[in-house]
Amino acid sequence: DIQMTQSPSSLSASVGDRVTITCRASQTISSYLNWYQQKPGRAPKLLIYAASTLQSGVSSRFSGSGSGTDFTLTISSLQPEDLATYYCQQSYSTPQSFGQGTKVEIK
Amino acid sequence: QVQLQESGPGLVKPSETLSLTCAVSGDSVYSADYYWGWIRQPPGKGLEWIGYIYYSGSTSYNSSLKSRVTMSVDKSKNQFSLNLSSVTAADTAVYFCARVVVGRGYYHMDVWGKGTTVTVSS
Repeated sequence: DIQMTQSPSSLSASVGDRVTITCRASQTISSYLNWYQQKPGRAPKLLIYAASTLQSGVSSRFSGSGSGTDFTLTISSLQPEDLATYYCQQSYSTPQSFGQGTKVEIK
Repeated sequence: QVQLQESGPGLVKPSETLSLTCAVSGDSVYSADYYWGWIRQPPGKGLEWIGYIYYSGSTSYNSSLKSRVTMSVDKSKNQFSLNLSSVTAADTAVYFCARVVVGRGYYHMDVWGKGTTVTVSS
């Protein structure tokens, strides 16, 4: 099974800051990488798929990059509504595993 | 607008079978364009992929649960289901259903249900 490791596990940033979350796969997964946002008490929401394709309706503040084993989710200018936990997920092979999550807090 | 809604018992006894249903509105479970998936989240923890099913009945399950998991699709009711047998306290979680898009080979879950909490306890 492919293991997905996110860093950091949590972060605190100010409104307007540029925020970067990293996801590393235990083996190469090409660009088969999704990013989800989960707000407290809510279902996850798809942000990015195929490593860098923005899901329809998602703010352009969010962007994704990477291929192979190393991936990045960037929030260009953090907003209060971005308070959430972010998960990466590989869809290269089953089980389509998730990272452990990165909790983003607002200073 | 596509919507998914999970339903099922909120409390299941140890060793029994957990049975959940996901009702789909605004789309057909018999669409060849999508798979239909299940994901769970234990209290205070991260997401765990359970598996998915295609309208044809083809399935893919998490190997860690494979011997206990069964999924099915019901065209007449436009819903799909999850059965998890021999449950223990470790199966206590919020269970989500989701629509799985496969575009250019890239699987991603674009529509999610709100989730249903299942507690395993005697």
